[in-house]
Amino acid sequence: GENVEQHPSTLSVQEGDSAVIKCTYSDSASNYFPWYKQELGKRPQLIIDIRSNVGEKKDQRIAVTLNKTAKHFSLHITETQPEDSAVYFCAASKWNDKIIFGKGTRLHILP
Amino acid sequence: DGGITQSPKYLFRKEGQNVTLSCEQNLNHDAMYWYRQDPGQGLRLIYYSQIVNDFQKGDIAEGYSVSREKKESFPLTVTSAQKNPTAFYLCASSISAGTGAGELFFGEGSRLTVL
Repeated sequence: GENVEQHPSTLSVQEGDSAVIKCTYSDSASNYFPWYKQELGKRPQLIIDIRSNVGEKKDQRIAVTLNKTAKHFSLHITETQPEDSAVYFCAASKWNDKIIFGKGTRLHILP
Repeated sequence: DGGITQSPKYLFRKEGQNVTLSCEQNLNHDAMYWYRQDPGQGLRLIYYSQIVNDFQKGDIAEGYSVSREKKESFPLTVTSAQKNPTAFYLCASSISAGTGAGELFFGEGSRLTVL
């Protein structure tokens, strides 16, 4: 079945700098790649997603890139702010199948 | 107010007892999921259901059971066979399963502690 690896497990960046979180997946048939943000004590929420027919998607300060050949995708957060501190999860799935998550990255934004 | 509701929020049980966690949604979603969250382990899929009266095992189904008798309800039973049941459990729903699903909507979670 699908296996999603996520790195790093913890990331600290200075406020205003950029943060990058990387994920790889094992099943070449996977074609949907969402990212979820979980703030402390809250439920995970979708922040951005990308489908396999697209190489990059951007929404204000966040962007996701997908390399299907290499089977990896990344989350980029620019101009980081204190409210970006959270745990971020990548995930992958294929048509009409379960969604498998990575182990998460705890992002700390340093003042 | 539409959403997904889990209960109870906190639950304490003695070893060897079965417990059932409730999950209800009024979003008219077809698919529902149960994930287990442990520190450093991410979100691991226990069971999921794409349609009423049907469900599939996820990656860590052993020691758990589910039912899907109604579209809006997907209760999870943690049985005495589950070796390490203390965890945070998240229920989620989506319009449909997989790629057609788009966004997963999560409940607030249930924290189970086995004493």
